[in-house]
Amino acid sequence: NAGVTQTPKFQVLKTGQSMTLQCAQDMNHNSMYWYRQDPGMGLRLIYYSASEGTTDKGEVPNGYNVSRLNKREFSLRLESAAPSQTSVYFCASIDRAKNIQYFGAGTRLSVL
Amino acid sequence: AQSVTQLGSHVSVSEGALVLLRCNYSSSVPPYLFWYVQYPNQGLQLLLKYTSAATLVKGINGFEAEFKKSETSFHLTKPSAHMSDAAEYFCAVSPASGGSYIPTFGRGTSLIVHP
Repeated sequence: NAGVTQTPKFQVLKTGQSMTLQCAQDMNHNSMYWYRQDPGMGLRLIYYSASEGTTDKGEVPNGYNVSRLNKREFSLRLESAAPSQTSVYFCASIDRAKNIQYFGAGTRLSVL
Repeated sequence: AQSVTQLGSHVSVSEGALVLLRCNYSSSVPPYLFWYVQYPNQGLQLLLKYTSAATLVKGINGFEAEFKKSETSFHLTKPSAHMSDAAEYFCAVSPASGGSYIPTFGRGTSLIVHP
């Protein structure tokens, strides 16, 4: 079982460059999430999608955009990367019946 | 509104010693509570959860946690630490009603296990 798959695993960008982080889940979950993880800060929610066709801002949405392409896929886009966006990014989906989140392995992004 | 406080960003124990990771929460509605574990260079995975059934919850790898409403706590314990337990542990809270599926995570506690 693949679960939640994120690509790429690593990325280095220069300030001002753009990129899209991809996420796909094969568990037929309705809700999906994007988090960033920084040392000492835990996980902070960037955006989430309660269901296909809907997206909402989380705690730290500035500088990011998202697209819920279909039920499986939820992408995160950085239009103009900044050094403050250097972080580890995690995608997750949730089994609502069990209230359990499933996480991808993460994307480690460095912005120089 | 909900929040989680994990006391201690790092906890260091010897192999075979008791593990105690502290978590206190606040929630305006009855909560669901979770502990997730993150091994190096991996995503988070569920260790155990409390969903208003038994207050003592058993999880994987010998971990357990007790929900204490009067203390608003959900501390994680393991009687005997193993080297393989070294990881980052996150406590999380989610409302048990209202249809919100947005958990709030604590800042994490890094468990260090010495031989």
